[in-house]
Amino acid sequence: AQTVTQSQPEMSVQEAETVTLSCTYDTSESDYYLFWYKQPPSRQMILVIRQEAYKQQNATENRFSVNFQKAAKSFSLKISDSQLGDAAMYFCACFQGGSEKLVFGKGTKLTVNP
Amino acid sequence: GAVVSQHPSRVICKSGTSVKIECRSLDFQATTMFWYRQFPKQSLMLMATSNEGSKATYEQGVEKDKFLINHASLTLSTLTVTSAHPEDSSFYICSPRLWGTNEKLFFGSGTQLSVL
Repeated sequence: AQTVTQSQPEMSVQEAETVTLSCTYDTSESDYYLFWYKQPPSRQMILVIRQEAYKQQNATENRFSVNFQKAAKSFSLKISDSQLGDAAMYFCACFQGGSEKLVFGKGTKLTVNP
Repeated sequence: GAVVSQHPSRVICKSGTSVKIECRSLDFQATTMFWYRQFPKQSLMLMATSNEGSKATYEQGVEKDKFLINHASLTLSTLTVTSAHPEDSSFYICSPRLWGTNEKLFFGSGTQLSVL
C-alpha cells in the first residue's frame, strides 16, 4: 500500500531563518511523483514543489528546495529565509503512475514567528 | 497556470437534502477528476476518481449511492451529496488531471458543506 508519513505535526521558525519539514513515503512502484503542497487558512491547496522520482537532482523553487533520498524514501522540504506568509499547513504527497492516486501525509502546521 | 473553478465555496443545508458541487477546469481538458474530502485538522482523503464519460471509481468506505459523481464533459465534473446528514459535513475539494501530465495536479478552492 502507498503511504506518506509526516512525523512533525507542528513546527515553528523565526522569520528569515531556515526550517526543514520531514516526509517519508512508501510505494511499490518505480513510476511516481512527490509533491509538497501548502494549505493556508483559505484552504486553497497550493503546489510548492514537485519531484519526479526518476530524477536524481533535487528540485528547487526559489526559497523552497527538497532533499530527495530515494533509497531511504525520504522527501524533506527546506524553506529558506522564512517569511510570515509561509505560515500554513504543509502536506507531503505521493502520486503513483500505476494506481494514479495522490496520497497525502497528515500535514505539518508551520508557524513563522516575527 | 491552469485555473480550476469550484463552487459553491460554502453551503449550509438541512439534513436530508441534496447538495451539488461543481468543478470546472477553465483552460484545459480534464480527462480525470479526483474528489477529496477533508475533515477539520485532518489531511485530504481521496473519495473517488472519475474519468470523462465513465463511471466513477470509489475508494473503500465511500458510499457511491450517497456521493454521486458525474463527469459528463472534459471541463465539468459534479459531486452530489444525496440525503446529506451532519456527518457528511466536511470540506470537499476537486482536482482535475490533465491527461498525460502526472505532475500537473491542480485543486479547486474547495466547498465547505455544513449539514444542520
